[in-house]
Amino acid sequence: ETGVTQSPTHLIKTRGQQVTLRCSSQSGHNTVSWYQQALGQGPQFIFQYYREEENGRGNFPPRFSGLQFPNYSSELNVNALELDDSALYLCASSIKSRGSNEQFFGPGTRLTVL
Amino acid sequence: GEDVEQSLFLSVREGDSSVINCTYTDSSSTYLYWYKQEPGAGLQLLTYIFSNMDMKQDQRLTVLLNKKDKHLSLRIADTQTGDSAIYFCAETSTGRRALTFGSGTRLQVQP
Repeated sequence: ETGVTQSPTHLIKTRGQQVTLRCSSQSGHNTVSWYQQALGQGPQFIFQYYREEENGRGNFPPRFSGLQFPNYSSELNVNALELDDSALYLCASSIKSRGSNEQFFGPGTRLTVL
Repeated sequence: GEDVEQSLFLSVREGDSSVINCTYTDSSSTYLYWYKQEPGAGLQLLTYIFSNMDMKQDQRLTVLLNKKDKHLSLRIADTQTGDSAIYFCAETSTGRRALTFGSGTRLQVQP
């Protein structure tokens, strides 16, 4: 069984730029959630995708957007980067029909905004 | 809104038991989780408990849930140096997409 993978591992951008992060979900999982983890904090929910549509969103501005593809992989796009966007971005996959909502996380992408 | 609180730090000696505590505010929470995060890594799901249970045991891990007090704990028996990590408590409720996480408890295991 293939686990959740994310790319790239690390990324450095400058303020105002745009970034795309990628995630491949665990085999058999149809739902992808994205979280932002600032240093020393717990992960904060950004949004979730199911059947290629946004299926719930946390308290993040519209410059955070995403996509899900037919193979259930996903992208997180962030426009107009700000210094506070520096964080570990985590992708989690799950099976929507499973009531326990167990979410399995990838290793994350460390984004640094200068 | 939902809130999850954890103590910041716990230090134990190798071979002792560790108990990590968590409190939450949402009375409609249905599932509660424990995740482990090692330095530079993602989150590993250790175990979870459904809100109609008060205890769940899985090898060295024991989860206790006091729903009345909204208190969750994770006990690690025979703690090893490899258990050193940050442990996150998280919760969700039926129909909610997001997991709400605490800020994590750093467990340090001394040889």
